Amino acid sequence: LAKTTQPISMDSYEGQEVNITCSHNNIATNDYITWYQQFPSQGPRFIIQGYKTKVTNEVASLFIPADRKSSTLSLPRVSLSDTAVYYCLVGLPDDYKLSFGAGTTVTVRA
Amino acid sequence: DAGVTQSPTHLIKTRGQHVTLRCSPISGHKSVSWYQQVLGQGPQFIFQYYEKEERGRGNFPDRFSARQFPNYSSELNVNALLLGDSALYLCASSQHLEQGQQFFGPGTRLTVL
Repeated sequence: LAKTTQPISMDSYEGQEVNITCSHNNIATNDYITWYQQFPSQGPRFIIQGYKTKVTNEVASLFIPADRKSSTLSLPRVSLSDTAVYYCLVGLPDDYKLSFGAGTTVTVRA
Repeated sequence: DAGVTQSPTHLIKTRGQHVTLRCSPISGHKSVSWYQQVLGQGPQFIFQYYEKEERGRGNFPDRFSARQFPNYSSELNVNALLLGDSALYLCASSQHLEQGQQFFGPGTRLTVL
């Protein structure tokens, strides 16, 4: 499994854009990059998944450079309710042994 | 549609006891995975079941076992509980074998005294 490295924590203010970068230098050719969000005492929630270039949905954007050794989750105009832990996972879509790292704790302040 | 449901919500056991946790996946989902999340850490993979067969197992001792029923619900069993088994146990379901887009339940908080 490709090892991932994320910042432990990030602070932001309401209305700002938050960008979380995940490093995965050993990503394999067929690996996908998936991001989850987790609120306290809840299960993680799927945010976005991508393989290369840029993926956008109603919640976030995922930017993946050509070498795929890193990826950046972008949360536009965050609100207080975006305060959560964000996890980056790298692996095959059918890799059923994916475990989560420590994630990035994002704190949004008023 | 109802999401993934887990029972019980909270559970307190003592060392050496046995526990059974239950999970009902989203209707139509055939894959169920179990995770253990210790406070301050990310979820760690325990098992995946797909079409009632074990398809993957994480680095957990044999005290942990699971099964999936014909209706795709699942049970996680833990024998000879240790203090270190105290954690949030999460169940996740997905429609297919691929785990990219899993849907997690609220978890069962297990406390071992």
